[in-house]
Amino acid sequence: QVQLQESGPGLVKPSQTLSLTCTVSGGSISSGGYYWSWIRQHPGKGLEWIGYIYYSGSTYYNPSLKSRVTISVDTSKNQFSLKLSSVTAADTAVYYCARGRTGLNWFDPWGQGTLVTVSS
Amino acid sequence: SYVLTQPPSVSVAPGQTARITCGGNNIGSKSVHWYQQKPGQAPVLVVYDDSDRPSGIPERFSGSNSGNTATLTISRVEAGDEADYYCQVWDSSSDHLFGGGTKLTVL
Repeated sequence: QVQLQESGPGLVKPSQTLSLTCTVSGGSISSGGYYWSWIRQHPGKGLEWIGYIYYSGSTYYNPSLKSRVTISVDTSKNQFSLKLSSVTAADTAVYYCARGRTGLNWFDPWGQGTLVTVSS
Repeated sequence: SYVLTQPPSVSVAPGQTARITCGGNNIGSKSVHWYQQKPGQAPVLVVYDDSDRPSGIPERFSGSNSGNTATLTISRVEAGDEADYYCQVWDSSSDHLFGGGTKLTVL
């Protein structure tokens, strides 16, 4: 079964760029019919969709974050990545990667999540 | 933009039925998905497309969706069902959208 695992720095300084990678195992990221997403959860709060990418490279971003977000895919490594620029304390959150199903729009499975703290 | 509204909390005694609602304008015309999130863990899909269950999810979990309200129903509630529950839809104006979450407390 497909599993996802996030990795990246747990601490980022304000104004810098947050970078995370999600490694997919148990299946190919190039499989048709799926897209690969980033979702975050502020401490004690609800879930916020950040964006997603197809293996072809097509991307879709949350309009509220679009100006700062870049999602990319590396099919050779079976990974996809998130970059969020100009971060502030408001970007402190647990970041999850998840798989979505084209046309069905639910997320399953999810990675375990990684906490990123923005602080100097 | 589209908004999903969930009650902050629902409490139920063990063995009883819990109903968690998700309100939205004409949500009955959309497909609603539900996630369970236990403390310190990632969300898990428990119901998709209003009322379908992924493999491995107990039959005690069911869903419905009509008009302006979608409902996740948990029958014969167990202590292990205590968690936060989130509804989620896809909307053409908002793309993926989550409700604010409901904390289920088993008394």
